[in-house]
Amino acid sequence: KAGVTQTPRYLIKTRGQQVTLSCSPISGHRSVSWYQQTPGQGLQFLFEYFSETQRNKGNFPGRFSGRQFSNSRSEMNVSTLELGDSALYLCASSWTSGRATDTQYFGPGTRLTVL
Amino acid sequence: KNEVEQSPQNLTAQEGEFITINCSYSVGISALHWLQQHPGGGIVSLFMLSSGKKKHGRLIATINIQEKHSSLHITASHPRDSAVYICAPTNTGNQFYFGTGTSLTVIP
Repeated sequence: KAGVTQTPRYLIKTRGQQVTLSCSPISGHRSVSWYQQTPGQGLQFLFEYFSETQRNKGNFPGRFSGRQFSNSRSEMNVSTLELGDSALYLCASSWTSGRATDTQYFGPGTRLTVL
Repeated sequence: KNEVEQSPQNLTAQEGEFITINCSYSVGISALHWLQQHPGGGIVSLFMLSSGKKKHGRLIATINIQEKHSSLHITASHPRDSAVYICAPTNTGNQFYFGTGTSLTVIP
């Protein structure tokens, strides 16, 4: 069974641009979560989607948004990019929306560099 | 204010040594995950536990909910164990908290 895939793996953008990242979960998984990882802040939770609905949201500005499609694939979008948005963006999928009961399977990440 | 504290931040060990990484948290949780991140970024979930102890090969994870503390032990450490280990408690609201990670280097 294929793992979680993320595209693209690397991306370079300039300030003010917008970017869309894609995540394909493991087949059958309905929950997709997004995380940002930076050297200064570590891992931070962005949001989670389950069955096309946003279930949880972290403490990030409205420039960060996401969506989930009926096949559970998810996209996240960052508008008006800032230098501080340079980070590794990870997505993770699981069967259910319950972190207390369900293992998260992580993708390889998309490394975004904002110049 | 850090809800999750990991120690040590950095750890260097000789191959074969027994290793312990500690995680203390201040929030009420329903479960705790231990994650492993190798250079290059990929993260693997090692354990998810809500009480007691779990063992997988040379890895053992324990949690004491009352004391708000968890430990990850590696027996007979090997250079391929070199990675960053991240403690991630989760509360009943499904929110994930993350420790800053422990960077482990195992020298042959």
